[in-house]
Amino acid sequence: QSALTQPASVSGSPGQSITISCTGTSSDVGGYNYVSWYQQHPGKAPKLMIHEVSNRPSGVSNRFSGSKSGNTASLTISGLQAEDEADYYCSSYTSSRTQVFGGGTKLTVL
Amino acid sequence: EVQLVESGGGLVQPGESLRLSCAASGFTFTNYWMSWVRQAPGKGLEWVANIKEDGSEKYYVDSVKGRFTISRDNAKNSLYLQMNSLRAEDTAVYYCARGLATVDYWGQGTLVTVSS
Repeated sequence: QSALTQPASVSGSPGQSITISCTGTSSDVGGYNYVSWYQQHPGKAPKLMIHEVSNRPSGVSNRFSGSKSGNTASLTISGLQAEDEADYYCSSYTSSRTQVFGGGTKLTVL
Repeated sequence: EVQLVESGGGLVQPGESLRLSCAASGFTFTNYWMSWVRQAPGKGLEWVANIKEDGSEKYYVDSVKGRFTISRDNAKNSLYLQMNSLRAEDTAVYYCARGLATVDYWGQGTLVTVSS
Protein backbone atom coordinates (compact mmCIF):
# COMPACT_ATOMS: atom_id res chain seq x y z
CA GLN A 1 0.00 0.00 0.00
CA SER A 2 2.72 2.47 -0.89
CA ALA A 3 1.59 5.86 -2.10
CA LEU A 4 1.90 6.75 -5.76
CA THR A 5 4.78 9.13 -6.56
CA GLN A 6 4.03 12.68 -7.67
CA PRO A 7 6.29 15.75 -7.82
CA ALA A 8 5.78 17.95 -4.77
CA SER A 9 5.30 21.08 -6.83
CA VAL A 10 5.00 22.42 -10.36
CA SER A 11 4.52 25.92 -11.66
CA GLY A 12 3.65 27.72 -14.85
CA SER A 13 2.61 31.07 -16.21
CA PRO A 14 -0.90 31.89 -17.38
CA GLY A 15 -1.54 30.44 -20.81
CA GLN A 16 1.21 27.84 -20.54
CA SER A 17 0.82 24.07 -20.18
CA ILE A 18 2.04 21.91 -17.35
CA THR A 19 2.17 18.17 -16.80
CA ILE A 20 2.05 16.30 -13.50
CA SER A 21 3.30 12.73 -13.37
CA CYS A 22 2.08 9.91 -11.15
CA THR A 23 4.14 6.73 -10.87
CA GLY A 24 2.93 3.50 -9.38
CA THR A 25 3.40 -0.20 -9.97
CA SER A 26 1.95 -3.00 -12.04
CA SER A 27 -0.45 -3.68 -9.13
CA ASP A 28 -2.12 -0.31 -9.45
CA VAL A 29 -1.45 2.28 -12.18
CA GLY A 30 0.08 -0.19 -14.61
CA GLY A 31 -2.47 -2.91 -14.05
CA TYR A 32 -5.73 -1.03 -14.44
CA ASN A 33 -7.18 1.81 -16.46
CA TYR A 34 -8.68 3.25 -13.29
CA VAL A 35 -6.47 6.24 -12.69
CA SER A 36 -8.20 9.37 -11.41
CA TRP A 37 -7.05 12.93 -10.87
CA TYR A 38 -8.44 15.30 -8.25
CA GLN A 39 -8.18 19.04 -7.75
CA GLN A 40 -8.32 20.39 -4.21
CA HIS A 41 -8.47 24.03 -3.25
CA PRO A 42 -7.60 25.00 0.35
CA GLY A 43 -10.28 24.01 2.81
CA LYS A 44 -12.37 22.28 0.15
CA ALA A 45 -13.15 18.68 -0.69
CA PRO A 46 -11.34 17.08 -3.63
CA LYS A 47 -13.02 17.40 -7.00
CA LEU A 48 -12.77 14.69 -9.65
CA MET A 49 -11.13 16.09 -12.80
CA ILE A 50 -10.18 12.95 -14.73
CA HIS A 51 -11.31 9.34 -14.34
CA GLU A 52 -10.35 6.11 -16.07
CA VAL A 53 -7.04 7.63 -17.19
CA SER A 54 -8.36 10.15 -19.66
CA ASN A 55 -12.09 10.77 -19.21
CA ARG A 56 -13.42 14.13 -18.07
CA PRO A 57 -16.59 14.27 -15.98
CA SER A 58 -19.31 16.56 -17.23
CA GLY A 59 -18.50 20.18 -16.46
CA VAL A 60 -14.71 19.81 -16.31
CA SER A 61 -12.84 22.04 -18.72
CA ASN A 62 -11.27 20.39 -21.77
CA ARG A 63 -8.03 22.13 -20.76
CA PHE A 64 -7.56 19.13 -18.47
CA SER A 65 -6.39 15.88 -20.04
CA GLY A 66 -4.96 12.60 -18.82
CA SER A 67 -2.84 9.80 -20.19
CA LYS A 68 -0.93 6.72 -19.10
CA SER A 69 2.13 4.79 -20.20
CA GLY A 70 3.13 1.70 -18.30
CA ASN A 71 3.19 2.42 -14.57
CA THR A 72 3.09 6.21 -15.00
CA ALA A 73 0.03 8.37 -15.50
CA SER A 74 0.05 12.05 -16.36
CA LEU A 75 -2.25 15.03 -16.00
CA THR A 76 -1.81 17.92 -18.42
CA ILE A 77 -3.38 21.31 -17.92
CA SER A 78 -3.22 23.57 -20.94
CA GLY A 79 -3.91 27.30 -21.11
CA LEU A 80 -3.16 27.73 -17.40
CA GLN A 81 -5.47 30.05 -15.52
CA ALA A 82 -5.18 31.58 -12.07
CA GLU A 83 -8.09 29.45 -10.84
CA ASP A 84 -6.12 26.28 -11.63
CA GLU A 85 -3.80 27.01 -8.70
CA ALA A 86 -4.53 24.15 -6.29
CA ASP A 87 -3.28 20.80 -5.06
CA TYR A 88 -3.63 17.88 -7.45
CA TYR A 89 -3.79 14.23 -6.46
CA CYS A 90 -3.72 11.11 -8.57
CA SER A 91 -5.26 7.85 -7.42
CA SER A 92 -5.50 4.33 -8.73
CA TYR A 93 -7.59 1.28 -8.13
CA THR A 94 -5.41 -1.61 -6.92
CA SER A 95 -5.30 -5.38 -7.13
CA SER A 96 -6.38 -5.50 -3.46
CA ARG A 97 -9.72 -3.80 -4.25
CA THR A 98 -8.49 -0.64 -2.56
CA GLN A 99 -7.50 2.84 -3.68
CA VAL A 100 -4.06 4.36 -3.43
CA PHE A 101 -3.36 8.08 -3.70
CA GLY A 102 -0.33 10.03 -4.74
CA GLY A 103 1.33 12.39 -2.30
CA GLY A 104 -0.09 15.42 -4.06
CA THR A 105 1.35 18.18 -6.24
CA LYS A 106 1.01 21.87 -5.49
CA LEU A 107 0.42 23.83 -8.69
CA THR A 108 1.46 27.47 -8.61
CA VAL A 109 0.33 29.80 -11.37
CA LEU A 110 3.01 32.47 -11.59
CA GLU B 1 -27.81 16.05 -7.09
CA VAL B 2 -25.46 13.70 -5.27
CA GLN B 3 -24.93 14.73 -1.67
CA LEU B 4 -22.75 13.16 1.00
CA VAL B 5 -22.90 14.73 4.45
CA GLU B 6 -20.52 13.55 7.18
CA SER B 7 -21.03 13.99 10.90
CA GLY B 8 -19.65 12.72 14.18
CA GLY B 9 -16.19 14.26 14.23
CA GLY B 10 -14.74 15.93 17.28
CA LEU B 11 -11.97 16.02 19.87
CA VAL B 12 -11.14 12.78 21.65
CA GLN B 13 -8.28 11.53 23.79
CA PRO B 14 -5.89 8.80 22.66
CA GLY B 15 -7.39 5.36 23.15
CA GLU B 16 -10.98 6.58 22.91
CA SER B 17 -13.59 5.76 20.27
CA LEU B 18 -15.64 7.75 17.79
CA ARG B 19 -18.29 6.86 15.21
CA LEU B 20 -18.56 8.81 11.99
CA SER B 21 -21.71 8.86 9.90
CA CYS B 22 -22.36 9.81 6.30
CA ALA B 23 -25.85 10.54 4.96
CA ALA B 24 -26.16 9.92 1.23
CA SER B 25 -28.79 11.31 -1.12
CA GLY B 26 -29.36 12.02 -4.78
CA PHE B 27 -28.39 8.57 -6.05
CA THR B 28 -29.27 4.91 -5.56
CA PHE B 29 -27.12 4.12 -2.54
CA THR B 30 -27.44 0.36 -2.94
CA ASN B 31 -25.77 0.49 -6.36
CA TYR B 32 -22.43 1.79 -5.13
CA TRP B 33 -19.41 0.80 -3.15
CA MET B 34 -18.63 3.49 -0.58
CA SER B 35 -15.32 4.66 0.87
CA TRP B 36 -13.74 6.67 3.64
CA VAL B 37 -10.70 8.81 2.82
CA ARG B 38 -8.81 10.97 5.30
CA GLN B 39 -6.46 13.92 5.16
CA ALA B 40 -4.21 14.84 8.07
CA PRO B 41 -3.64 18.57 8.59
CA GLY B 42 -1.38 19.89 5.84
CA LYS B 43 -0.92 16.41 4.38
CA GLY B 44 -2.17 14.42 1.41
CA LEU B 45 -5.14 12.16 0.91
CA GLU B 46 -5.12 8.66 2.37
CA TRP B 47 -7.67 6.00 1.50
CA VAL B 48 -8.95 4.37 4.70
CA ALA B 49 -11.62 1.78 3.91
CA ASN B 50 -14.34 0.73 1.51
CA ILE B 51 -17.44 -1.44 1.56
CA LYS B 52 -19.37 -3.29 -1.12
CA GLU B 53 -22.93 -2.41 -2.08
CA ASP B 54 -24.43 -5.10 0.15
CA GLY B 55 -21.80 -4.87 2.90
CA SER B 56 -20.41 -8.32 2.15
CA GLU B 57 -16.88 -7.13 1.40
CA LYS B 58 -14.80 -4.62 3.34
CA TYR B 59 -11.21 -3.51 2.90
CA TYR B 60 -8.94 -1.39 5.07
CA VAL B 61 -5.59 0.36 4.93
CA ASP B 62 -3.08 -1.51 7.07
CA SER B 63 -2.73 1.28 9.64
CA VAL B 64 -6.38 0.97 10.77
CA LYS B 65 -6.96 -2.78 10.49
CA GLY B 66 -8.31 -4.16 13.74
CA ARG B 67 -9.20 -0.68 15.04
CA PHE B 68 -11.67 0.75 12.48
CA THR B 69 -14.84 -0.85 11.15
CA ILE B 70 -16.73 0.36 8.11
CA SER B 71 -20.43 -0.44 7.82
CA ARG B 72 -23.54 0.72 6.02
CA ASP B 73 -27.30 0.77 6.51
CA ASN B 74 -28.89 0.66 3.08
CA ALA B 75 -32.36 1.24 4.52
CA LYS B 76 -31.12 4.59 5.84
CA ASN B 77 -28.79 5.44 2.94
CA SER B 78 -26.02 5.80 5.49
CA LEU B 79 -22.35 4.90 5.77
CA TYR B 80 -20.46 4.60 9.05
CA LEU B 81 -16.91 4.38 10.36
CA GLN B 82 -16.44 3.07 13.88
CA MET B 83 -13.02 4.14 15.09
CA ASN B 84 -11.60 2.51 18.23
CA SER B 85 -8.25 2.85 20.01
CA LEU B 86 -7.69 6.20 18.37
CA ARG B 87 -4.16 7.53 18.07
CA ALA B 88 -2.73 10.99 17.52
CA GLU B 89 -1.85 9.98 13.96
CA ASP B 90 -5.54 9.40 13.21
CA THR B 91 -6.10 13.16 13.45
CA ALA B 92 -7.52 14.19 10.09
CA VAL B 93 -10.49 15.36 8.10
CA TYR B 94 -12.46 12.26 7.19
CA TYR B 95 -14.29 12.26 3.87
CA CYS B 96 -17.12 10.00 2.85
CA ALA B 97 -16.86 9.19 -0.86
CA ARG B 98 -18.69 7.18 -3.49
CA GLY B 99 -17.19 4.46 -5.61
CA LEU B 100 -14.68 1.63 -5.86
CA ALA B 101 -12.50 1.81 -8.97
CA THR B 102 -13.34 5.49 -9.41
CA VAL B 103 -14.17 7.58 -6.35
CA ASP B 104 -16.27 10.29 -7.88
CA TYR B 105 -18.27 12.22 -5.28
CA TRP B 106 -16.99 13.41 -1.91
CA GLY B 107 -18.59 14.94 1.14
CA GLN B 108 -17.23 18.08 2.77
CA GLY B 109 -15.53 16.10 5.51
CA THR B 110 -15.61 15.95 9.29
CA LEU B 111 -12.61 16.75 11.48
CA VAL B 112 -11.36 14.19 13.98
CA THR B 113 -8.77 15.41 16.48
CA VAL B 114 -7.04 12.94 18.78
CA SER B 115 -5.18 14.74 21.52
CA SER B 116 -4.73 14.68 25.26
